[in-house]
Amino acid sequence: DQQVKQNSPSLSVQEGRISILNCDYTNSMFDYFLWYKKYPAEGPTFLISISSIKDKNEDGRFTVFLNKSAKHLSLHIVPSQPGDSAVYFCAASHGELTFGKGTLLTVNP
Amino acid sequence: EPEVTQTPSHQVTQMGQEVILRCVPISNHLYFYWYRQILGQKVEFLVSFYNNEISEKSEIFDDQFSVERPDGSNFTLKIRSTKLEDSAMYFCASSGGTGLYNEQFFGPGTRLTVL
Repeated sequence: DQQVKQNSPSLSVQEGRISILNCDYTNSMFDYFLWYKKYPAEGPTFLISISSIKDKNEDGRFTVFLNKSAKHLSLHIVPSQPGDSAVYFCAASHGELTFGKGTLLTVNP
Repeated sequence: EPEVTQTPSHQVTQMGQEVILRCVPISNHLYFYWYRQILGQKVEFLVSFYNNEISEKSEIFDDQFSVERPDGSNFTLKIRSTKLEDSAMYFCASSGGTGLYNEQFFGPGTRLTVL
């Protein structure tokens, strides 16, 4: 039962271009959504979040968009940098976090 | 900057043995969590803990698992009789609140290998 889905296991972009990471969810009870970044051998690091009452939240190079009717959210990174290369997890919350499987982003110099 | 710490970083044990994974959450946080990630799979919720009791647990968190906050700083996960399928990365997390604005901060993880 995948309540949070990240359908792209990997994404490769050129430095300076935009990275768009997508996430879909099925549980309409989720009221808060988060993106985490994870490097190998480290725990997930909180990146950015959005509550269900908003449709956009921006923090520097990172913007998260939420489309509640489509049960879809996306993370935009612009401009992408090589140091952004990591696994990105979408998570949805109604108390505990439910994670997607992650998308491996590779930003090529 | 405050952070969640976990010990040990890697634990190797024989099947059937008991293990205790330790976590020190961020000091002013009130909500504590354990997650695990089996190699190649997604991060899965195990249990949440608030006010010295379990508030939520997943179906993974069966009678073999227990959590404890033995003092004011540590938060432990005990697996009584480990199985091969318990091999995973175990992440502790803590947050200052729950529901809206529930940013959970994760520790670096403990890699548990059951032989």
